[in-house]
Amino acid sequence: AQKVTQAQTEISVVEKEDVTLDCVYETRDTTYYLFWYKQPPSGELVFLIRRNSFDEQNEISGRYSWNFQKSTSSFNFTITASQVVDSAVYFCALLTSGTYKYIFGTGTRLKVLA
Amino acid sequence: GAGVSQSPSNKVTEKGKDVELRCDPISGHTALYWYRQSLGQGLEFLIYFQGNSAPDKSGLPSDRFSAERTGGSVSTLTIQRTQQEDSAVYLCASSSAGLEFGYEQFFGPGTRLTVL
Repeated sequence: AQKVTQAQTEISVVEKEDVTLDCVYETRDTTYYLFWYKQPPSGELVFLIRRNSFDEQNEISGRYSWNFQKSTSSFNFTITASQVVDSAVYFCALLTSGTYKYIFGTGTRLKVLA
Repeated sequence: GAGVSQSPSNKVTEKGKDVELRCDPISGHTALYWYRQSLGQGLEFLIYFQGNSAPDKSGLPSDRFSAERTGGSVSTLTIQRTQQEDSAVYLCASSSAGLEFGYEQFFGPGTRLTVL
């Protein structure tokens, strides 16, 4: 069965703190894709990153970084020096090869306080 | 525009009425999805269309829900005899099936449905 777990329902941090959002996935497929999406208060989901199962190289984009570890089936997202504008709900999603049906986690609400 | 558009942005209806929600995907995207997001909740998959294949309707919560996609482009989600528990934001997304396009979904702004 395919499953994505985001155990953190809500996280609050003070501006400039680093924060890591956890994502654990389950799949028996060897080829799959992992995603992170951001849903700001305005409501529209925004794509952040996509990772292939055969590419475990971590990625950094500005203050954002992603740590993909197949050994622990995790795809965690870290925001460095958080800002108020990072406040949003963040969703992790899984897509297995040969299907077009995404499996979303329940999301983590991040509140960055000034 | 270049993105996914949805209409109406807001819909208030009375219990028992039928509603139609529209989605215009990104031109050329072969896959189209409908999700439902209740207040403070995650995304609940409803249905997806892929090219000319039969749609995957496995997420539709009841037979009051149906969806069509005409000409491989615009899609309409219809809810008949609306109930208060249907109140939610209905999100549409599209994606290209090609691996080179990364399979990411592009979401529309959603339709907020309120059933009184």
